[in-house]
This record gives sequence, structure tokens and C-alpha cells, in this order.
Amino acid sequence: QVQLVESGGGVVQPGRSLRLSCAASGSTFSRFAMHWVRQAPGEGLQWVAVMSHDGINEYYLDSVKGRFTISRDNSRNTLYLQMNSLRPEDTAVYYCATSPGIALAVGPPFEYWGLGTLVTVSS
Amino acid sequence: DIQMTQSPSTLSASVGDRVTITCRASQSVSKWLAWFQQKPGKAPNILIYDVSRLQGGVPSRFSGGGSGTEFTLTISSLQPDDFATYYCQQYVTFPWTFGQGTKVEIK
Repeated sequence: QVQLVESGGGVVQPGRSLRLSCAASGSTFSRFAMHWVRQAPGEGLQWVAVMSHDGINEYYLDSVKGRFTISRDNSRNTLYLQMNSLRPEDTAVYYCATSPGIALAVGPPFEYWGLGTLVTVSS
Repeated sequence: DIQMTQSPSTLSASVGDRVTITCRASQSVSKWLAWFQQKPGKAPNILIYDVSRLQGGVPSRFSGGGSGTEFTLTISSLQPDDFATYYCQQYVTFPWTFGQGTKVEIK
């Protein structure tokens, strides 16, 4: 079992930056690949980025590539998402979630989720 | 990117009904297909992964099937707690993608 708590959301103007955090407790954070998934108001789910358990590999949604950076600190059991050059279309609830591996791994994807943190990009 | 298309988008049903939701992938995802349930204001909850593996703690009235590009989620006897939105999701290749969702409403 692992508990995830996101923080760092808020209202920000277009073009500005925000850093989200996801604090993990209850299990071995470092054995999970970690993802960010977002959901715009009234819309469906959209995968955003992933980092492997060891921090070596990362992948991004094309529309955030070059603007968002995922990172993790396994000593602090924390995942981050640095979001730069924010756009109105980035407005969403951002969730962190686990998977057993970064590709074709044994076990369920997105087994554990946080409660989400709302990011609103508006002038 | 692999596009995931669910049908129907909305489904009206009664308690006790058998319900089936279909998910089609734009290319084969092999066995790498999961289903999630989401209730308003809550994070999604995984129901099924690897097409048909029931996640621990999920009631056995939920089942998944299919292969390649066409998949189904079936609820054998709809319960009051099952009224929610359901998403399929492929995890064979990045970007991992979700269907647009199927809202199961009370008839």
C-alpha cells in the first residue's frame, strides 16, 4: 500500500511557472515508476509524463515536451513536475500515480493515485 | 499515438442490469489494456488490467475481455455503487492513452 499526496497547484498567469509535488508514504516509493496524469474540468484523463523508478528514463506527452520536467527524489519519497510556459489548456487537476515499471511491466498500471491538485492557468 | 475509442459515451441502465462497454484501439495493444472507474471529485480506481485480470478488492461482477484492438468491460449485475464513469487505457507504448469515458447513469 502507498499513499500519495499532491501539492503545489494554484492559479497562475499564462507563461508563468509552477512546480507540483507528490509525497509518498506507506511503501517503498523507489520501486515504482511514477506518472503525472491530468484531467481538465469536465473532461477525460490524459497521461502527462513518467519517470522510471531509478530516475534514469522519462517520457512526456508531446504537448508538454520542452515545457514540463518530471523528476524524483527517492531519499525524500517525492515526485515533482516542473511546469514552465504554462498555457490555458494546461488547466486541470493533476494526479500522481504509480506503475510497477516504465514499460510492459508485471502488475497493474496506475494502481495508486493521489487526490489531485488543481492548476488553473488564467490571466 | 494510439487512439482509444469507447462506446457508448453515455449508458442509462437500472440496478440489476447487465452492462457492456466497448473500447477500440487504433492499433493492437496486445494484452496491455486496463479499465478504471471514476466517481465525481475522486481519483480513478483501477478495476481490471492486462485485459482481464481483476484488481484485488474489485467485485467479481466486473469482468474484462477482448484482444488486439477490441475490448469489453462487463458488469454482470449493476449495483447502486457502480454508477460512475469508466475509462479504458492502453499501456503498451507511450504516450499511454485513455478512452474518452463512458458515463453509466441511472435509468
